[in-house]
Amino acid sequence: AQSVTQLGSHVSVSEGALVLLRCNYSSSVPPYLFWYVQYPNQGLQLLLKYTSAATLVKGINGFEAEFKKSETSFHLTKPSAHMSDAAEYFCAVSEGGTSYGKLTFGQGTILTVHP
Amino acid sequence: DTGVSQDPRHKITKRGQNVTFRCDPISEHNRLYWYRQTLGQGPEFLTYFQNEAQLEKSRLLSDRFSAERPKGSFSTLEIQRTEQGDSAMYLCASSGRDRGGYGYTFGSGTRLTVV
Repeated sequence: AQSVTQLGSHVSVSEGALVLLRCNYSSSVPPYLFWYVQYPNQGLQLLLKYTSAATLVKGINGFEAEFKKSETSFHLTKPSAHMSDAAEYFCAVSEGGTSYGKLTFGQGTILTVHP
Repeated sequence: DTGVSQDPRHKITKRGQNVTFRCDPISEHNRLYWYRQTLGQGPEFLTYFQNEAQLEKSRLLSDRFSAERPKGSFSTLEIQRTEQGDSAMYLCASSGRDRGGYGYTFGSGTRLTVV
């Protein structure tokens, strides 16, 4: 079965600083990986997804993530944090060897951005 | 298409009452998922449909929970004899082929509070 571990339940950065949110996965098949963002009392918004086309995936709002098979990682980065990036972020892996199967999520990382 | 719609957005109910939530997926998507998210956790899979067939149910889905997707369109999730432990955000998602390739879209969720 697949699993996802997000290292660090809380990350705090200053506005303009680099954002790095860590995600490690476990999967018995080539994984399809996702990053979602969730604002308070909202649903999940897709930031980006890895579907084996390219290891560096660019998403919305300036975020990107790099798939590293050797490290079983899919860390999310953004060069310069903005106040509006403050939210909770979830990494997820899709089961069944497809990009549209059941998702297994990590525990989430709350990102705080200080002025 | 307006995305995945969930109704109601919020529901407060007394312990022991029955509640029903509705999800309207993206019309082109043939898969529909229900997830539950408790405070401070990532979403957890409950059940999914492919068209009108319910293909998998999580062990989290006790006998008090039932889901339907008549005619493969909208879906309902009913909880009978609600308990305080049922308080959570219930998220619906739909997935499948659409204009952007293969999409996986979440609704804004229904927040249930059992008092």
